[in-house]
Amino acid sequence: SQQGEEDPQALSIQEGENATMNCSYKTSINNLQWYRQNSGRGLVHLILIRSNEREKHSGRLRVTLDTSKKSSSLLITASRAADTASYFCGYGGSQGNLIFGKGTKLSVKP
Amino acid sequence: GAGVSQSPSNKVTEKGKDVELRCDPISGHTALYWYRQSLGQGLEFLIYFQGNSAPDKSGLPSDRFSAERTGGSVSTLTIQRTQQEDSAVYLCASSPRPSGREFNEQYFGPGTRLTVT
Repeated sequence: SQQGEEDPQALSIQEGENATMNCSYKTSINNLQWYRQNSGRGLVHLILIRSNEREKHSGRLRVTLDTSKKSSSLLITASRAADTASYFCGYGGSQGNLIFGKGTKLSVKP
Repeated sequence: GAGVSQSPSNKVTEKGKDVELRCDPISGHTALYWYRQSLGQGLEFLIYFQGNSAPDKSGLPSDRFSAERTGGSVSTLTIQRTQQEDSAVYLCASSPRPSGREFNEQYFGPGTRLTVT
């Protein structure tokens, strides 16, 4: 299977703490994307990092990419209760679709 | 502007009945994707449309599943003779450019939650 994997499967932290989620993928990529999903509904795009980039920032989000290890991480700094959601990484499949793992379920407690 | 919309938002159907799920992509988006997400699982890719054409239908789980897209816009996913294992959230996404070397950001609809009883 080409399915990627997010790690950990679940993460519970207190508001104000940082949350780090990891993603491993199995094929060569030209970019990797992170998405957020609330309550099992549609995914919202957070950030895209290209294969020639090692780190990217967007607000409280920091994404790193290590193509030699086929892995990426998403760091959410100073987390808020509103960050509670599932987070998925997605990378390119053969038809332009994205291949997703099972996601990391983040719970931020106030 | 309007995002991707899907209807119905929820559908409960009896085993053996046919269902039709609809997706309205963002206007002008040429690429459209259907995914399925079972409870607590990741997203399973079903089918991709470039314009009205679906080059590869091998991702559809069985021959009970079919999809079409008309006018380069609205798409319908039809499931015939539904089974309990078809219960899932069906998500549609669109993207502004055709697939190529660069995989673009995808814009997802809110999904249709299908329950087969």
